[in-house]
Amino acid sequence: GAVVSQHPSRVICKSGTSVKIECRSLDFQATTMFWYRQFPKQSLMLMATSNEGSKATYEQGVEKDKFLINHASLTLSTLTVTSAHPEDSSFYICSARRTSGGVRTDTQYFGPGTRLTVL
Amino acid sequence: KQEVTQIPAALSVPEGENLVLNCSFTDSAIYNLQWFRQDPGKGLTSLLLIQSSQREQTSGRLNASLDKSSGRSTLYIAASQPGDSATYLCAVRHGNKLVFGAGTILRVKS
Repeated sequence: GAVVSQHPSRVICKSGTSVKIECRSLDFQATTMFWYRQFPKQSLMLMATSNEGSKATYEQGVEKDKFLINHASLTLSTLTVTSAHPEDSSFYICSARRTSGGVRTDTQYFGPGTRLTVL
Repeated sequence: KQEVTQIPAALSVPEGENLVLNCSFTDSAIYNLQWFRQDPGKGLTSLLLIQSSQREQTSGRLNASLDKSSGRSTLYIAASQPGDSATYLCAVRHGNKLVFGAGTILRVKS
């Protein structure tokens, strides 16, 4: 089955530093990747949609200058949390929509998530 | 704006019981509906995907139904096992996005 990996799985950083999270589709191409944020005991909230080779589309209320997204290839998207603060502590999950033979399919595959703790 | 609601929020059952999880959505203009499983501190595992033109999908002990016109889906789990304990999330694809419900926390007691 399709596999999506995230790195790192856990990160603890000091307030004011920047953290980069990588999302890779290991065995398929993904023209579209999604970044979600999940607070404890709550559902996933879409932060942004990342398209390969173009700028990400951010959801309302998400600061694009704080959450930098780069989708440089068909298998890699990165989320950088800049100048992190304690309120940015959360579980970040990426997802990739599979593209097969140039055709976008329906199923989204999710990464295992990254737990960010900002001290 | 599409909103997804899941009932109940939590459910505790003895092993072996059959159970039903409910999902409702406000806008019937969906592309598909997906049920996911999430274990604590982990990512999501896709269980079943139902296209908008379909009525149900089955996988092993799981059966999901979709009534698009009424904005409802159910996930039926047969002969529940302790290993089924997890959070179950329902999501509808609305436009290019997945909109998630808050989930049902299931605990199956041995």
